[in-house]
Amino acid sequence: SQQGEEDPQALSIQEGENATMNCSYKTSINNLQWYRQNSGRGLVHLILIRSNEREKHSGRLRVTLDTSKKSSSLLITASRAADTASYFCATVSYYRDDKIIFGKGTRLHILP
Amino acid sequence: DTGVSQNPRHKITKRGQNVTFRCDPISEHNRLYWYRQTLGQGPEFLTYFQNEAQLEKSRLLSDRFSAERPKGSFSTLEIQRTEQGDSAMYLCASSSFRLAGAEQYFGPGTRLTVT
Repeated sequence: SQQGEEDPQALSIQEGENATMNCSYKTSINNLQWYRQNSGRGLVHLILIRSNEREKHSGRLRVTLDTSKKSSSLLITASRAADTASYFCATVSYYRDDKIIFGKGTRLHILP
Repeated sequence: DTGVSQNPRHKITKRGQNVTFRCDPISEHNRLYWYRQTLGQGPEFLTYFQNEAQLEKSRLLSDRFSAERPKGSFSTLEIQRTEQGDSAMYLCASSSFRLAGAEQYFGPGTRLTVT
């Protein structure tokens, strides 16, 4: 079963706007990761945030983690057409032998 | 290129046939994971190896599925008597166990279509 739940399931925004996706999970984790997947392609790792971190930045990406609420958010600033993809949050726990548990994803569409 | 590679990238087979996929992990990684992804869903864990030992299998892995990692390097995933429900993207990932919670690196996947 999948642990992460992304919200919204689908998002369409104009190019240049910011896109925010949220993720909630159920059990304790050691880190949370965000991946991107273009249609029919493999997964691209975007960013990893550890359970003792609250915020992390990478280029146009900003990830927050609130372990008390078991939630995370991914913000993509100044979106581009190339950002159109599915975005998955994924949790990792030592107690699960580092298996990655993925959510169902948010399908992001950037409108020109 | 020292990333994770998977072969073939695409496989079309008729129901009832056997198929085998191969994954070559990053050379120094001792953990190897298999995931399956169906359309519109996130990837789901199937099984993983630490070196050559298969340490866990998901309930998703029916007895028609078998995975091996004979020398602790590359791994194969075989599906016997394929069914249409096996159509999916099969993803392989590797990581280094020495780094707890280490990032897993994914291959490009093998897309299986069972007709």
